This record gives sequence, C-alpha cells and structure tokens, in this order.
Amino acid sequence: DAGITQSPRHKVTETGTPVTLRCHQTENHRYMYWYRQDPGHGLRLIHYSYGVKDTDKGEVSDGYSVSRSKTEDFLLTLESATSSQTSVYFCAISESFKWGARSSYEQYFGPGTRLTVT
Amino acid sequence: AQKVTQAQTEISVVEKEDVTLDCVYETRDTTYYLFWYKQPPSGELVFLIRRNSFDEQNEISGRYSWNFQKSTSSFNFTITASQVVDSAVYFCALSDQGGKLIFGQGTELSVKP
Repeated sequence: DAGITQSPRHKVTETGTPVTLRCHQTENHRYMYWYRQDPGHGLRLIHYSYGVKDTDKGEVSDGYSVSRSKTEDFLLTLESATSSQTSVYFCAISESFKWGARSSYEQYFGPGTRLTVT
Repeated sequence: AQKVTQAQTEISVVEKEDVTLDCVYETRDTTYYLFWYKQPPSGELVFLIRRNSFDEQNEISGRYSWNFQKSTSSFNFTITASQVVDSAVYFCALSDQGGKLIFGQGTELSVKP
C-alpha cells in the first residue's frame, strides 16, 4: 500500500471558520491531488500539484486553496468554510503522468477526511 | 469535454451470481487511460486496473474481468461468482492528458448471501 496519510480524519467546524487539511506521503511521488466525494457526483478534482510550489486548479476549486512547500506534504485550505463544503476529502498521489506503457500512472488514495460544516 | 457515465446507480445480486458493471466514457483525446476503483464500506479507494487506449485486449484477474471496446466507448467490469466481500461502490475513471482523473458517479454493488 502507498504510504499516504491524511489529517485530521474527521472534523466538525462552523461556517466561516478556516480549515486546513493535510496530506502526507512517504513515497516521494511528484504528483499530488485533492478530490472531494459527494453523493451522486463521484469524486471531483479540487486542486493538484505537479511539484513543490507548482499547483493548479481542478474542476471545483472555488473556495479552496492549496500549498506544497515540501514533496511529502500537500495542504488544502478552506479560507471560510461553508455548508456546501461538507464532504469527504481524498488526497491522491501518482508517480508519473507520462504517457507510455511503462509509466506508473495510477493514482493511489489516502484514507479520506470527513468534514462537516455546521 | 470529457465525461464518464455509470448508468447503474445500484445493483443487488445474490452470492455466486455474475454481475457486470457498465462504464461509458466520452473524450476527444486519442490517447487516454481508463481505471476502475473499488470503495468498500470502510471508505478507502482501492485501485483495481488501468487500461490504456492503445490496448483493447480484455483482461482477467481471478474472478474479475474487464471488457474494453473503443468502438462503443465502453469499459465494462464483470465479477464472476460474486461474493459478499465484493459489496462496495465501484468507480470507473478516465484520465486526461494532464493526469487528472474524471470519475463516474459510481455503482453500488450489494451481494447478498
């Protein structure tokens, strides 16, 4: 199993408060991703990173920011949490996204963080 | 735009039945990857298979098999002789050229003893 941890695993917070979720990997993989999972939507990409200090927006990035100051850590911040951000958040990592039969392209996921905004 | 559709929201079968989970995708890319992930009741996401767009060979792994057909843009997943432990939500996903995954909505499979 890929070494990916997420913290906290569960959090309840109030509307308007800032929240930071942490993803930590021990695999030294270059690429890291944040997804949210909601009923009826599967998983949707929030932000991703292709290296230290290199990040980009995903499909549902509004209201979220990210930072990656070290290879092993990828932080997701909700500057002012809203009830619509109640969700399960998953971090994922991948070694490569180079096309080619020999590239390790799969994304491996962390255990998830269940966030409730009241 | 890229899209993955899993039309079956829920499937219920009795143990030892065969079951097929459907996945239809849309993409304009000529090179892409398709994936299946399993999410058991414990909540983690488990990688099952990757298939690239150049390889249409079907794959079998134990009781699991995958049928990739570019002509119909489908990547279906069959479980033979289902077991209670197969109960989970199964996600089909498509990768774009930047490595980002586009997921289907998921199919919840319930295998009853």
